[in-house]
Amino acid sequence: GAVVSQHPSWVICKSGTSVKIECRSLDFQATTMFWYRQFPKQSLMLMATSNEGSKATYEQGVEKDKFLINHASLTLSTLTVTSAHPEDSSFYICSAALGGFDSSPLHFGNGTRLTVT
Amino acid sequence: GQNIDQPTEMTATEGAIVQINCTYQTSGFNGLFWYQQHAGEAPTFLSYNVLDGLEEKGRFSSFLSRSKGYSYLLLKELQMKDSASYLCAVRESNYQLIWGAGTKLIIKP
Repeated sequence: GAVVSQHPSWVICKSGTSVKIECRSLDFQATTMFWYRQFPKQSLMLMATSNEGSKATYEQGVEKDKFLINHASLTLSTLTVTSAHPEDSSFYICSAALGGFDSSPLHFGNGTRLTVT
Repeated sequence: GQNIDQPTEMTATEGAIVQINCTYQTSGFNGLFWYQQHAGEAPTFLSYNVLDGLEEKGRFSSFLSRSKGYSYLLLKELQMKDSASYLCAVRESNYQLIWGAGTKLIIKP
């Protein structure tokens, strides 16, 4: 069964609005979660590393004021896309390692397909 | 620099065997992963290699040669449901994951 739950599966929003995506680890505590973005026919791009109890670490080129990450607890991380624009339309996927991320594979949520009109 | 190469697309026949190759150049090495991703879905974990050799898991096997910076994923007894993209990812010394662009596998009856 799924070890990482992501919600919503898809969302359509108007340009200028904000969208929140939730990622939960099921039956395990994840001090670290990872947020990825994937455009059609492209590979996964790491956006940021979400750390419980501290600020997220963003990859180069990712605007931290636009993509707000909050790791509220050991089982929940949220990604908020603020003032979304059509170019933000993409497939957003969160992931966590069941064990330590240095020794375990990542398990992914089911992803959220965001369409900004 | 960091680089992972895999073929963009491969085609195989149902019931046959296919080998998907992955070569990498990274800053250190702490393991190589293979994931399967169906269209419109998130990746699912298939295999993990950290030592040289072959890891077998049912119809899927993965091989690693660290000296050559090379891995392959072997799929046997192909089924139509195996049509998907297969992603190779390498974990570097700093535990960052570097992802390949994926190989789209098309299975024909």
